[in-house]
Amino acid sequence: ETGVTQSPTHLIKTRGQQVTLRCSSQSGHNTVSWYQQALGQGPQFIFQYYREEENGRGNFPPRFSGLQFPNYSSELNVNALELDDSALYLCASSLPRGSLAYNEQFFGPGTRLTVL
Amino acid sequence: AQSVAQPEDQVNVAEGNPLTVKCTYSVSGNPYLFWYVQYPNRGLQFLLKYITGDNLVKGSYGFEAEFNKSQTSFHLKKPSALVSDSALYFCAVRGDNQGGKLIFGQGTELSVKP
Repeated sequence: ETGVTQSPTHLIKTRGQQVTLRCSSQSGHNTVSWYQQALGQGPQFIFQYYREEENGRGNFPPRFSGLQFPNYSSELNVNALELDDSALYLCASSLPRGSLAYNEQFFGPGTRLTVL
Repeated sequence: AQSVAQPEDQVNVAEGNPLTVKCTYSVSGNPYLFWYVQYPNRGLQFLLKYITGDNLVKGSYGFEAEFNKSQTSFHLKKPSALVSDSALYFCAVRGDNQGGKLIFGQGTELSVKP
């Protein structure tokens, strides 16, 4: 069973650019959540995707958007990058609802985004 | 509003001594509580969870946590700390009507010295 993978590992962008981050969920997991972890902070929930539909969103502006594909992999897109978007972006996947371990979220290693 | 507080930025413990990392929460409805650990330049690793049932939850690597509803706390404990336990620990909560949205605390840096 493979774990959650994310790409790229590191990324450097300049202010105003756009970025796409990718996540492959753990085998059998159909729900993907994205979190932003700024330096020295706890992760903050961006949004969650379930069966290719957005299923809950945190307090992030619309320039943060996402997609989930039929194979349950996911993308996080951020437009018009700002300096404060510099952070570790974490993807987490979880089992289908009704599964005993539905409540557990399994995290990937993250993508470190630096905005200059 | 839902929230999690980890009142200590850092906890220092000598190897072999018991450790406690504190967490208090505020959530509407029944709480679902979690502890995660993060090593440098790594993602979060799941340690344990409380959903329902016994207030004392046992997890990975010898860690356990006690759910206290009256004090709205979910402190992480280990009877005998190891140097390899040194890491950043996060407490997280979600309400039973909040889907997958986890609310995390600020994190507590645990340092175990030989």
